Amino acid sequence: SYELTQPPSVSVSPGQTASISCSGDNLGGKYVSWYQQKPGQSPVLVIYHDTKRPSGIPERFSGSNSGNAATLTISGTQAMDESDYYCQAWDSSFVVFGGGTKLAVL
Amino acid sequence: QVQLQESGPGLVKPSETLSLTCTVSGASISSYYWSWIRQPPGKGLEWVAYIYHSGSSYNPSLKSRVSISADTFKNQFSLELRSVTAADTAVYYCARWDGTGSFYLDFWGQGALVTVSS
Repeated sequence: SYELTQPPSVSVSPGQTASISCSGDNLGGKYVSWYQQKPGQSPVLVIYHDTKRPSGIPERFSGSNSGNAATLTISGTQAMDESDYYCQAWDSSFVVFGGGTKLAVL
Repeated sequence: QVQLQESGPGLVKPSETLSLTCTVSGASISSYYWSWIRQPPGKGLEWVAYIYHSGSSYNPSLKSRVSISADTFKNQFSLELRSVTAADTAVYYCARWDGTGSFYLDFWGQGALVTVSS
């Protein structure tokens, strides 16, 4: 079965750029979505189709996908961005989530 | 605005069947793809199943125990998970994919905690 791998945690200073990776075999050949989840809340879609932002998502969120890895980038990270982030892909009609990355804004 | 609301028992006994319903407003379930995702306490997201107008798909690791169905009259879709164990304790979310491009979930319910315990 297809697997997506994320680092368990990433830390960033306020105002700096945070990068969260998601790796999988030939992931660049699939579309990747990213979700933000804060404690006790439902996940929120922040990036879909590798690079697209839903309405209402700040421009500081961006995504890329190439080769075997996708990246979620948060520019000018704010304290409110401290959350868990999950990548997700679709492979042979099955949905796969990464294990999640806890972003700490220190 | 699309809204989803999960409902069902919060406590299920081991070996019994977990049943949840998602009520949708603001969109017809005859259109789009509708999915269940679960999250054990303190752990990550796990896709369970999705259903659409002409079919369904299941997580291979759960396929032997899971059924997803839809009621177009009530604009609801449902999940059944049989022979549950403590490992099935989780918050269960329902969510929507609008069917464009590749799969992503743009609207989510608030989640329903289901505990498996005697």
